[in-house]
Amino acid sequence: EVQLVESGGGLVQPGRSLKLSCAASGFTFSNYGMAWVCQAPTKGLEWVASISTGGGNTYYRDSVKGRFTISRDNAKNTLYLQMDSLRSEDTATYYCARVDNNRRGFDYWGQGVMVTVSS
Amino acid sequence: DIVMTQAPLSVSVTPGESASISCRSSKSLLHSNGITYVYWYLQKPGKSPQLLIYRMSNLASGVPDRFSGSGSETDFTLKISRVEAEDVGIYYCGQLLENPPTFGAGTKLELK
Repeated sequence: EVQLVESGGGLVQPGRSLKLSCAASGFTFSNYGMAWVCQAPTKGLEWVASISTGGGNTYYRDSVKGRFTISRDNAKNTLYLQMDSLRSEDTATYYCARVDNNRRGFDYWGQGVMVTVSS
Repeated sequence: DIVMTQAPLSVSVTPGESASISCRSSKSLLHSNGITYVYWYLQKPGKSPQLLIYRMSNLASGVPDRFSGSGSETDFTLKISRVEAEDVGIYYCGQLLENPPTFGAGTKLELK
């Protein structure tokens, strides 16, 4: 059974940093691209960043470029999102999602982790 | 960025009846390889999103065949036949033709 379990969320002050983790199991992690998708309170889904299977290619939405870094450790079956210079507008639930290799969608999602940026 | 526009914002359906949700993209999602890269997701109350339909008309694993997807290059429809209580939630369309991946604002399905 595919499982994605996020951790690392919490309350953080504006300008500070936070690192999210997503532990994957039930599939060969190194064979899949991965992504982070967020959802602000009562809002819709917004893609944040993606990473290729080996980690050599990364992609970000414009609003987080230069502030967030997506990475992965295939030996630990773990996806990360380093979030620096956090802003109040980054407040959201962050989901990690598996990216099907043949663009069959974000086919598995974690349960999500809440990040609140507030003083 | 490709804008995905959904309609209606909410729909109320009698159990056992059918429901349709529309989505329009700001540019064609038809790739030169013949595949249309539009997707449908359902977020049940308090849960994570789940993939329902991929590449416009393909049912994701484990999804009941009451769900179906169709459309053209820019206009897409999710149809739910014989709506059940477990279908309640917010439906999102999305595209993966090009970066950044984008989603519609969502359509809330409720039962009458």
